[in-house]
Amino acid sequence: QIQLVQSGPELKKPGESVKISCKASGYTFTDYAMHWVKQAPGKGLKWMGWINTYTGKPTYADDFKGRFVFSLEASASTANLQISNLKNEDTATYFCARANYGPFDYWGQGVMVTVSS
Amino acid sequence: DVVMTQTPVSLPVSLGGQASISCRSSQSLVHSNGNTYLHWYLQKPGQSPQLLIYRVSNRFSGVPDRFSGSGSGTDFTLKISRVEPEDLGDYYCLQSTHFPRTFGGGTKLELK
Repeated sequence: QIQLVQSGPELKKPGESVKISCKASGYTFTDYAMHWVKQAPGKGLKWMGWINTYTGKPTYADDFKGRFVFSLEASASTANLQISNLKNEDTATYFCARANYGPFDYWGQGVMVTVSS
Repeated sequence: DVVMTQTPVSLPVSLGGQASISCRSSQSLVHSNGNTYLHWYLQKPGQSPQLLIYRVSNRFSGVPDRFSGSGSGTDFTLKISRVEPEDLGDYYCLQSTHFPRTFGGGTKLELK
C-alpha cells in the first residue's frame, strides 16, 4: 500500500538547523512530485513548495525562499526538508504529500518541529 | 496568488444532519486543459489531512457517498449528508490549478 513515512519530532534552539525526511513506498517514487505543507499550532495549512522527484528541481513558495531546502535521496525513495537558522515562527508540523498535478492524495503523518530556547 | 475563501469558519451540526461548506476562489480554477483542480480534505485532530473529493466532484477511494462536491469556476461546495461522529474535524479546500497552491482557511465541523 502507498505510504509516506516521516521522521520523528524535533526540538531545536533558535539558530540551529533541522532536516526531516519523508520515505515513500508502495509506488514508483519518480512518478509523483513531492510537496511540503506547514501547519503552525492551531492554524491552517500553508503550501511551502514542491520538488520534482524525476529531475530533483525544487520550487519554493515566496515565504519559504532562503532558509528552506528540498532535496532527494532518490535511490532511497526519500524526500527531505532542511530548515536552517531556525526561528520561533518555524514551530509547526511539516507534512509531505505526493501529487501528480492534481490533488495531494497521500500525506505523511507529519513532523512536529519545536523551536525554543 | 489565488485566495481561497472558505465559509463558515465553524459549523455546528447534529448527528444525522446535513452540512454544507463553501469555498470561493479569487480567480477561475479552470485550467487551460479544461480541468478544474479544486479538492476537499478532512483533517481530524492529531492526524494528517485526508483527501475526500478531487477535481470538484470525484470521491477519493473509500470515501462514503455521504460526501459530495459541486461547483464550477470560482464557487464550490462540499455537502455532507447524514453526519456521523467520524466526520467531525477541520475541512479544507485546495486549489492546484495555479501556482502557488493555496488552501482555504478551514471550516471546523463540530457537534451542536
